Amino acid sequence: DAKTTQPNSMESNEEEPVHLPCNHSTISGTDYIHWYRQLPSQGPEYVIHGLTSNVNNRMASLAIAEDRKSSTLILHRATLRDAAVYYCILRDVNGGATNKLIFGTGTLLAVQP
Amino acid sequence: EAGVTQFPSHSVIEKGQTVTLRCDPISGHDNLYWYRRVMGKEIKFLLHFVKESKQDESGMPNNRFLAERTGGTYSTLKVQPAELEDSGVYFCASSLRRGRRYNEQFFGPGTRLTVL
Repeated sequence: DAKTTQPNSMESNEEEPVHLPCNHSTISGTDYIHWYRQLPSQGPEYVIHGLTSNVNNRMASLAIAEDRKSSTLILHRATLRDAAVYYCILRDVNGGATNKLIFGTGTLLAVQP
Repeated sequence: EAGVTQFPSHSVIEKGQTVTLRCDPISGHDNLYWYRRVMGKEIKFLLHFVKESKQDESGMPNNRFLAERTGGTYSTLKVQPAELEDSGVYFCASSLRRGRRYNEQFFGPGTRLTVL
């Protein structure tokens, strides 16, 4: 599976937008970009995923570069509850490929009141 | 809907003992996964069930670990005998096999295992 690179940590202020970057320069054509987050003392939680086009859901937006070598998770208005470790994960969903998630170290997001 | 549940939430055992972790996936989820985070390292995949069949067990560390999913419902992960390096948090996740949300894995809260 292709690797991703994320900053170790980021800080944000409450109610401000947050842009979490992820580099995946060796992404293949069948790799989907997934984002999960892990709140303190909880299991990981799905946030969003996409292939080529930008995606929006109730939690966040995912902006994917045209060459797909990088992506950005956007939290439009950070809340204290968004403080977590955010993982950018590539998953090959080509027919027959394993569904396993390969976690990196992620980005620890701190949100200041 | 009820989420993924795991039991126990914490387990403290001595080296050489046996421990069995249980995971109840979301009803209707054919896919069930086990992951673990040990010694502050990254979360690592252990294995993947599709119903009762092991689809991928490439992440199982050694033969001291045995996972089962009889009947394709709940799953157990047995560690026998436990070693110090097995200490960590064991997560279970489940997902649909098809449908709009089949890409989403739903994780349980984890079982924290401490081997003394």
